[in-house]
Formats: sequence, structure tokens, C-alpha cells
Amino acid sequence: DTGVSQDPRHKITKRGQNVTFRCDPISEHNRLYWYRQTLGQGPEFLTYFQNEAQLEKSRLLSDRFSAERPKGSFSTLEIQRTEQGDSAMYLCASSTGLTGLNWIEAFFGQGTRLTVV
Amino acid sequence: AQSVSQHNHHVILSEAASLELGCNYSYGGTVNLFWYVQYPGQHLQLLLKYFSGDPLVKGIKGFEAEFIKSKFSFNLRKPSVQWSDTAEYFCAVGGGADGLTFGKGTHLIIQP
Repeated sequence: DTGVSQDPRHKITKRGQNVTFRCDPISEHNRLYWYRQTLGQGPEFLTYFQNEAQLEKSRLLSDRFSAERPKGSFSTLEIQRTEQGDSAMYLCASSTGLTGLNWIEAFFGQGTRLTVV
Repeated sequence: AQSVSQHNHHVILSEAASLELGCNYSYGGTVNLFWYVQYPGQHLQLLLKYFSGDPLVKGIKGFEAEFIKSKFSFNLRKPSVQWSDTAEYFCAVGGGADGLTFGKGTHLIIQP
């Protein structure tokens, strides 16, 4: 499968614990996005990387959240001291995002469903 | 701030009925508009997109959407739906460094 891959698919954690999710984008894509989706809502933008540089962060991304893309390939999203309100589906997407062109179609992974108990 | 409003949260239709899902947006930059679909248990997939040019955009699986600038709308249409069209449909605006802003989605159920 050459699509966007996310791991794990499901995560149950106790409140206060730290969790880390991984996203492997499509190999030639240099843009990578993280979104969060709660029940009954559309996905909400969290952050965006162009290669290894994190270029944009939403106000939704509190200081308990950190994302990295160290070599411009896979990315991790860490949530520290999880709260029940962090329970959601975390989606990763990637695109080619060639400079100077209109935004190119993003391909989404199947997401990581986080449940904080 | 950009926003997207989808008028219908739940729609139930019979097979062969015509479909129109409403989407209105507000966005201060160059308008890029998208419709995504999420079939049960699957990831979000792009149905169609509008960047510029012909305001009537054709997508996959017989879907189309019309960009009406004066109405800030980008409604999704299909002349005859099938049971396999049962899914969640999301309208989205923006892209690039701003990311996408999605609507809340419309849950479409097609009854055989």
C-alpha cells in the first residue's frame, strides 16, 4: 500500500499519560499535515510541515502537543499529560505542495483514534 | 477567519433520487474548494476540487459541484444516487499553509 500510513490505529490511555502517534506520508510528498476530528465535526487543522520545517500551527495546538518531522519523511505527534478532551481521531495527510502552484490534493491516512479514560 | 457551513447534517434518499448537498464558505484568500467523501471505515478521499476556471467541476463517481462566487457557495450534486454513495461528505476551503477548513459534514444514507 503506497498511501499515507498511520500507527497505531487505536490508542486507549489513562488521563495524564503521554502518547505518541506516527505518520508515514506518501514517499514523494514534501508537505505533511495533522488534523483532529471529533464526533460530529469535520477535521480541524493542527499543524503543517514543508519537508522538515514546521511552518504553521493552529491555536488548537496547545503546548501539550508537539509535532516533529526530523528528516522530512515520517512525522510524530506527541500529546503530553493527556486530558479527556484530547479524545479524538488524529488524521495525517500529505501532498506534493510544489512551490508556486495551487495547493495540491492532500491524501489522508486512516487516522489514529485516541481514547483518554 | 475562514469557515465552511454545510446545511444538511443528515440526508436520507432512495436509490436513483437526485442529490444536492449545500456548502457555503467564507475565506479571505484565493478560493480553493474541495469536496471529500468518507465511506464507512475508510479514509477521507477527494471527490472533486475547484481552483479556477470553469465553475462547474466534475469529479469521480458521477459527482459534480458548481462554484457560485456571488453566493459563496460550492454545492455538490449527483443526478442519480446509488446505495454505495452512503457515506459522510465534507466540504472544505483553503489549503497550503493555512491547511484546510472543513465543514461539519453531511451524513448521507441511501436506501435501496
